[in-house]
Amino acid sequence: DADVTQTPRNRITKTGKRIMLECSQTKGHDRMYWYRQDPGLGLRLIYYSFDVKDINKGEISDGYSVSRQAQAKFSLSLESAIPNQTALYFCATSDSAGAREQYFGPGTRLTVT
Amino acid sequence: RKEVEQDPGPFNVPEGATVAFNCTYSNSASQSFFWYRQDCRKEPKLLMSVYSSGNEDGRFTAQLNRASQYISLLIRDSKLSDSATYLCVVPRGGYQKVTFGIGTKLQVIP
Repeated sequence: DADVTQTPRNRITKTGKRIMLECSQTKGHDRMYWYRQDPGLGLRLIYYSFDVKDINKGEISDGYSVSRQAQAKFSLSLESAIPNQTALYFCATSDSAGAREQYFGPGTRLTVT
Repeated sequence: RKEVEQDPGPFNVPEGATVAFNCTYSNSASQSFFWYRQDCRKEPKLLMSVYSSGNEDGRFTAQLNRASQYISLLIRDSKLSDSATYLCVVPRGGYQKVTFGIGTKLQVIP
């Protein structure tokens, strides 16, 4: 089984809808991240969490919120989806020893129409 | 200068060729760096870390040039399976976060 899983893998939604992307990990890592990837822009950090009680905004957090339900679960919500949030979303984890290797989930391809 | 800059390519090279990519960074305080590999529509995966002394793993060699603030990735004897996008990663914020480059696309041609 994969160490980092994301659901759903693909989602098409309409403008204005609220949508939640979920991430679970079995690596036992404290740190979890949400990124979005757009062509020509690379991976950009949306939110990150260093433990259940620690949530931090990344550089593009507007229009998004997160919830760290447990050490193993980190969810990303789009409060009111808009077309420019169409992107490939990745969840990642790392251990607490600095910015070491990040392990990524398989990604969620989100399309907002 | 952007935090991390990479030539997006694509680099089209024949099988067996040697190819090198550079990645420049702006934060002179950064200490360690990483190269990730991303296959089309897949998640990025760590390829190798880059230390001050460089790093070699089989056909792959990563080097750090602090004076000019860039890291490089050299791939020798390119294989078709090396076709992918290579992402340069630079820590920031006291190693709490990282910045990903946009990636360099490599296409190895038969």
